[in-house]
Amino acid sequence: AQKITQTQPGMFVQEKEAVTLDCTYDTSDPSYGLFWYKQPSSGEMIFLIYQGSYDQQNATEGRYSLNFQKARKSANLVISASQLGDSAMYFCAFRGNAGNMLTFGGGTRLMVKP
Amino acid sequence: DARVTQTPRHKVTEMGQEVTMRCQPILGHNTVFWYRQTMMQGLELLAYFRNRAPLDDSGMPKDRFSAEMPDATLATLKIQPSEPRDSAVYFCASGLVGAGGFQPQHFGDGTRLSIL
Repeated sequence: AQKITQTQPGMFVQEKEAVTLDCTYDTSDPSYGLFWYKQPSSGEMIFLIYQGSYDQQNATEGRYSLNFQKARKSANLVISASQLGDSAMYFCAFRGNAGNMLTFGGGTRLMVKP
Repeated sequence: DARVTQTPRHKVTEMGQEVTMRCQPILGHNTVFWYRQTMMQGLELLAYFRNRAPLDDSGMPKDRFSAEMPDATLATLKIQPSEPRDSAVYFCASGLVGAGGFQPQHFGDGTRLSIL
């Protein structure tokens, strides 16, 4: 079974600064996808960004980018120019070949300071 | 934007009662997932469907939980009888498989369930 690890239970960042949220995974699947979701205090799960294991470029989506290091099995989320509205839980998720379901990490709570 | 719609948003009921949660997936999506989120276990898969056929329900307690997809626009998750340990947020998500690559799943807003 795949294992997804987010080692930072909580993080603070100053508004307007960049922050990196860590995610490592363990798999033997030859191809897979990595996803990041944001869960604000209101509770919904918002899809942010996706990285395919065979993608040549790191994924970017607005202020979000993925620092994907396949050999190290890490897929860290970088948020540039943090905003107060970025304060939320962030989940890394993995999807492999065996099925269509997502396996989630434990999450990181990000708090943006004004 | 297309959204996954879940009802109800909140449900409080007494132990032993039947609970039914409903989900309308995004039109055109062919997979539907039910996840449960608790403080202790985090997000875990309960069941999922592809083209309305159940593919995996190994995460569900079979004696009290059931998941169905009577048509392409409705998925249901039932708990009967409910127990206090079922208190959690239940998410429905839908996605498109077979369109190339690993397409993201899109989540509904969840049903916050409290069993007294």
